[in-house]
Amino acid sequence: DAGVIQSPRHEVTEMGQEVTLRCKPISGHDYLFWYRQTMMRGLELLIYFNNNVPIDDSGMPEDRFSAKMPNASFSTLKIQPSEPRDSAVYFCASSTDRVLEPQHFGDGTRLSIL
Amino acid sequence: GQQVMQIPQYQHVQEGEDFTTYCNSSTTLSNIQWYKQRPGGHPVFLIQLVKSGEVKKQKRLTFQFGEAKKNSSLHITATQTTDVGTYFCAGDPIEAAGNKLTFGGGTRVLVKP
Repeated sequence: DAGVIQSPRHEVTEMGQEVTLRCKPISGHDYLFWYRQTMMRGLELLIYFNNNVPIDDSGMPEDRFSAKMPNASFSTLKIQPSEPRDSAVYFCASSTDRVLEPQHFGDGTRLSIL
Repeated sequence: GQQVMQIPQYQHVQEGEDFTTYCNSSTTLSNIQWYKQRPGGHPVFLIQLVKSGEVKKQKRLTFQFGEAKKNSSLHITATQTTDVGTYFCAGDPIEAAGNKLTFGGGTRVLVKP
């Protein structure tokens, strides 16, 4: 079975550009999570969705970040405009429960903002 | 707010030796999960503990949930080079209904052959 699929795997872009990260969760998983991982801050939850509805976006750093889930099989995380401090690995994860079931992570997108 | 702390941050282990990594929460947890992330990889679920004092084993890995459900530990016996990676715990605070899993900072394990 296919796991969580993220694209692109790597993204290098210049400061000020718009960046869009994509995620396809595992079919049948009602929960989708976006995380950011850096050496300094570790693994941070940015936002999560339940049945395509954003439930908690308190981890979103600022207005430059936005996330959408237009249907059960697709989500995007957008950064506009991007800044060098946004450089990190961004993971998408999906699950059948908010906390009581395992989260299945994608391979991540390694983002570098120059 | 609720925090999950892991110690140590780094663990250098001689191949064949045992070691333990600890996870501590400032609040009582309803459950705790452990994940392993290999270098360059993504976190992979290992196990979940729910009951007070629960102990679970996976081959050379032993996971324990504290009696007060505020701490957990992962003990690895006879460390192998395949154990290299970062081990994360993640907990859900009981008192904050509707909350989400909070990940600890991880313990990065390096194995000396």
